[in-house]
Amino acid sequence: GAGVSQTPSNKVTEKGKYVELRCDPISGHTALYWYRQSLGQGPEFLIYFQGTGAADDSGLPNDRFFAVRPEGSVSTLKIQRTERGDSAVYLCASSLVAGGPGNEQFFGPGTRLTVL
Amino acid sequence: QQQVKQSPQSLIVQKGGIPIINCAYENTAFDYFPWYQQFPGKGPALLIAIRPDVSEKKEGRFTISFNKSAKQFSLHIMDSQPGDSATYFCAAWFPGTYKYIFGTGTRLKVLA
Repeated sequence: GAGVSQTPSNKVTEKGKYVELRCDPISGHTALYWYRQSLGQGPEFLIYFQGTGAADDSGLPNDRFFAVRPEGSVSTLKIQRTERGDSAVYLCASSLVAGGPGNEQFFGPGTRLTVL
Repeated sequence: QQQVKQSPQSLIVQKGGIPIINCAYENTAFDYFPWYQQFPGKGPALLIAIRPDVSEKKEGRFTISFNKSAKQFSLHIMDSQPGDSATYFCAAWFPGTYKYIFGTGTRLKVLA
């Protein structure tokens, strides 16, 4: 089957605008994760979903960031009042079940967000 | 401390060479240490991983060496090939959480 897909692949927006980034996980994967990767850095955890609920949103930088997964499959990361510092690659990952060892997280190709 | 420090930032080797990438951590509660490989325009992909009760793990041309007392671990790529040119990230997993802490990455270039 297909891997994790993310749309759009690139998004350019202006400071202050609202953006939505979409993630389609691997079919059957119950756990879904969002990471942010700034230039020259490793991925940084944002939020984790188990099913429809956000089980850990400790990585969201502030209340301008919000994510949903209403039916336990597709997830949308929403960023309000974008700032230039939000420019990064936003990665989505999914795993069959949650956890660490043995529960590999499969990453999508990411959405490159540029805020002008 | 929930950081993982990775070095070097970039590395260039000749084909057939053995690049070594190093990572260090502070928090002894970390319990699982994967390495990820990322090609341009792609997401990271799991390469190899190790638990702290093992000192070495090999999978094909990739080897992790783990030094628990020094809180360091490293990735060795034997007989490196141009196709290995990518960015490599070490990571650590903290029990009771569902997230990985990633290093800052090493950009490897293997010359033909």
